[in-house]
Amino acid sequence: AQSVTQLGSHVSVSEGALVLLRCNYSSSVPPYLFWYVQYPNQGLQLLLKYTTGATLVKGINGFEAEFKKSETSFHLTKPSAHMSDAAEYFCAVSESNFGNEKLTFGTGTRLTIIP
Amino acid sequence: DAGVIQSPRHEVTEMGQEVTLRCKPISGHDYLFWYRQTMMRGLELLIYFNNNVPIDDSGMPEDRFSAKMPNASFSTLKIQPSEPRDSAVYFCASSPSSGRLHQETQYFGPGTRLLVL
Repeated sequence: AQSVTQLGSHVSVSEGALVLLRCNYSSSVPPYLFWYVQYPNQGLQLLLKYTTGATLVKGINGFEAEFKKSETSFHLTKPSAHMSDAAEYFCAVSESNFGNEKLTFGTGTRLTIIP
Repeated sequence: DAGVIQSPRHEVTEMGQEVTLRCKPISGHDYLFWYRQTMMRGLELLIYFNNNVPIDDSGMPEDRFSAKMPNASFSTLKIQPSEPRDSAVYFCASSPSSGRLHQETQYFGPGTRLLVL
């Protein structure tokens, strides 16, 4: 079965600094990878996803992630943090084989932006 | 579209009472998911439906929990009797059907914050 590990439950960065949120996955078949963001008191919304094709995926709000099969990673980055990026971020994985199509979420990383 | 609608947004109840959470998915979406989010356990999938039929309920904690989807535009999650450990935020999400569920985006509602005293 697939799984996701998010390194660091809390990450703090200064406004304008690079944001790097780490995600490693485990999957027996080619994975489909997602990053979702949850703002306070709201549901999750999709930031970006990797299905097939280009391994560098661009999402909303200036975020991007790169699928690296050799490292089983899908880290999320943003060149310059903004105060509005403060939220919780979830990495998730799914597979195409029957029984594993549903999303498996990581435990989340709470991002704090320091003014 | 109004997005996924959940009601109530907040629910406070006493142990032993029945609790019913409601969800209206996005029109045209064929998949509906119920999740539970707690600090201790994170985000857990409880059950999901395809075309109103439950596909996987392996995440439902115990017999006190039940979910139904009588039609394409409405689903309920019921807890009877409720216990303090059921306190959590419950999310409903929906997803369009393309035959490739594993690639589809899930659209989440705002959640129902449940507190069982």
